[in-house]
Amino acid sequence: DTEVTQTPKHLVMGMTNKKSLKCEQHMGHRAMYWYKQKAKKPPELMFVYSYEKLSINESVPSRFSPECPNSSLLNLHLHALQPEDSALYLCASSQGGGPGETGDTQYFGPGTRLTVL
Amino acid sequence: GQQVMQIPQYQHVQEGEDFTTYCNSSTTLSNIQWYKQRPGGHPVFLIQLVKSGEVKKQKRLTFQFGEAKKNSSLHITATQTTDVGTYFCAGASGYSTLTFGKGTMLLVSP
Repeated sequence: DTEVTQTPKHLVMGMTNKKSLKCEQHMGHRAMYWYKQKAKKPPELMFVYSYEKLSINESVPSRFSPECPNSSLLNLHLHALQPEDSALYLCASSQGGGPGETGDTQYFGPGTRLTVL
Repeated sequence: GQQVMQIPQYQHVQEGEDFTTYCNSSTTLSNIQWYKQRPGGHPVFLIQLVKSGEVKKQKRLTFQFGEAKKNSSLHITATQTTDVGTYFCAGASGYSTLTFGKGTMLLVSP
């Protein structure tokens, strides 16, 4: 099973709302990632969790707050977003050790398409 | 920081024609990975190349990793309409995160 699931598939929210994106994998992977992807652009890394600890934060604004409750789950809490935050938010997981390690390929979920009004 | 350049940005071919996309890294890579993203979809892992000069094939797709481990290519022979999508290369250096190229969007006309 190489599946990463994400909910919801679509989300529309106002700038004052608080919402959460959820990601789940049951492949025993130890690294999980949040990416943001704008139309016709490559995925842009936001956060990396390795062994349930935040290891990389790519200078993401504090209105995005990640959480890793356990090794299978990854959340992204959203608060006071801006219209320019509208994008496809992708979760990915990899076996662990980081992408420089041979075989540590990333498996992406289907994404949450977020629209901020 | 590490940069990965990918060309062309876009290519439109007739079904049956060949297609190639190229990636070049500003630094030596430990490995390079290729992903395909269909319109409206998410990136799907295709392959990982690790060894200098490595060539791997998946049916009509041929992947190469340069001798200096700084460039790579993906070649599709006799394209089909099912090949439509954006192809991304992503390079890894040491234990750093993946750096994605900007992608090549492939359109195939029947």
